[in-house]
Amino acid sequence: AQSVTQLDSHVSVSEGTPVLLRCNYSSSYSPSLFWYVQHPNKGLQLLLKYTSAATLVKGINGFEAEFKKSETSFHLTKPSAHMSDAAEYFCVVRYYGSGNTGKLIFGQGTTLQVKP
Amino acid sequence: DGGITQSPKYLFRKEGQNVTLSCEQNLNHDAMYWYRQDPGQGLRLIYYSQIVNDFQKGDIAEGYSVSREKKESFPLTVTSAQKNPTAFYLCATRARQNLGEKLFFGSGTQLSVL
Repeated sequence: AQSVTQLDSHVSVSEGTPVLLRCNYSSSYSPSLFWYVQHPNKGLQLLLKYTSAATLVKGINGFEAEFKKSETSFHLTKPSAHMSDAAEYFCVVRYYGSGNTGKLIFGQGTTLQVKP
Repeated sequence: DGGITQSPKYLFRKEGQNVTLSCEQNLNHDAMYWYRQDPGQGLRLIYYSQIVNDFQKGDIAEGYSVSREKKESFPLTVTSAQKNPTAFYLCATRARQNLGEKLFFGSGTQLSVL
């Protein structure tokens, strides 16, 4: 069965320090993977996506993620956190199932806190 | 929010009442989705529709109903059978696969029970 696990429910960093949000997935096939961000009282916004091209994916706002098939991971990183990065982040895997190509599986979410 | 309008932004439901959440899109996307978000959880799929006049149950469809009479509209009804309806509801659309599988999300509706 397909699943996605975000290993940390809360991450707290100081402004200017690196960010690491961890995501592991289980899949029998090479999946499509996404990171979405949700700011308070706003809808979800796509940060980046991996769809079997380059394993290092660059997204918006300085974020990037590396697809590691051997580790079934897709961790999100940013070299230097900004106060505006404080939000909830979702790792998402696209499910490949017969007759069910529209289904996505969302991780539980990681709340990123950025301290001044 | 990418051409997706959800209304209302806040909705209150009385016990035993059915309420309908609106989702309208002007992106000409074929696929539309309804997700429910609870604190500390990821989004869970309620219903989705790949094309007009067709829809499929998601993971937590019980207590909900939908219709897809028009490409632009995918309303979600929360029925009285849904015993725990308080949540944040997100509508999403997706273009055809050759446009990169990107999901577009509305701004959401917060539903609370009085």
